[in-house]
Amino acid sequence: NAGVTQTPKFRVLKTGQSMTLLCAQDMNHEYMYWYRQDPGMGLRLIHYSVGEGTTAKGEVPDGYNVSRLKKQNFLLGLESAAPSQTSVYFCASRRLAGVNEQFFGPGTRLTVL
Amino acid sequence: EDKVVQSPLSLVVHEGDTVTLNCSYEVTNFRSLLWYKQEKKAPTFLFMLTSSGIEKKSGRLSSILDKKELSSILNITATQTGDSAIYLCAVEAGVWGSNYQLIWGAGTKLIIKP
Repeated sequence: NAGVTQTPKFRVLKTGQSMTLLCAQDMNHEYMYWYRQDPGMGLRLIHYSVGEGTTAKGEVPDGYNVSRLKKQNFLLGLESAAPSQTSVYFCASRRLAGVNEQFFGPGTRLTVL
Repeated sequence: EDKVVQSPLSLVVHEGDTVTLNCSYEVTNFRSLLWYKQEKKAPTFLFMLTSSGIEKKSGRLSSILDKKELSSILNITATQTGDSAIYLCAVEAGVWGSNYQLIWGAGTKLIIKP
């Protein structure tokens, strides 16, 4: 069991470039989440998905898009990167029912110049 | 607006000391409170608390919820250098049947000196 994996681990972008972060989980979890973590601000929810083909906005969705075409994958896209999107991005997943224990991926450190 | 506040933001102690980390919350439709430990990378789950006054314990770590005071504490006794981490508190909130989301605190950075 790999759990939750994220690619890439690091990325540097120039302002205006686009990129996609990939999250994959092998635990058959229904729920998947994308967070960003900035110093002193904790984790902030960008988008989430409650199942294949469904997505919803979180607390800070602007500038990001997501897709969940397969249950095991959750993609986060930045169409036109801005320096304010420099952050560490975490993907997480959890089961549909029971404890809201979210399992996290190792994170992607993104720098936008 | 729902919010979760942790204190202190950072703490430096010596190995063997006991520490108490605090988490207070103001949310609508509280369901549970969770504690996570974040070392170098991904946060990992420690405890989930739903009922007031019932202590959850795992080794040297313990936690308790006080719904009257809208707060929780995380205690670590006989600290070790391996306890150095950011400790995150999150509150699950929402009405029954909704997509319960976690509202996260900013974390307490704990440094244990040998």
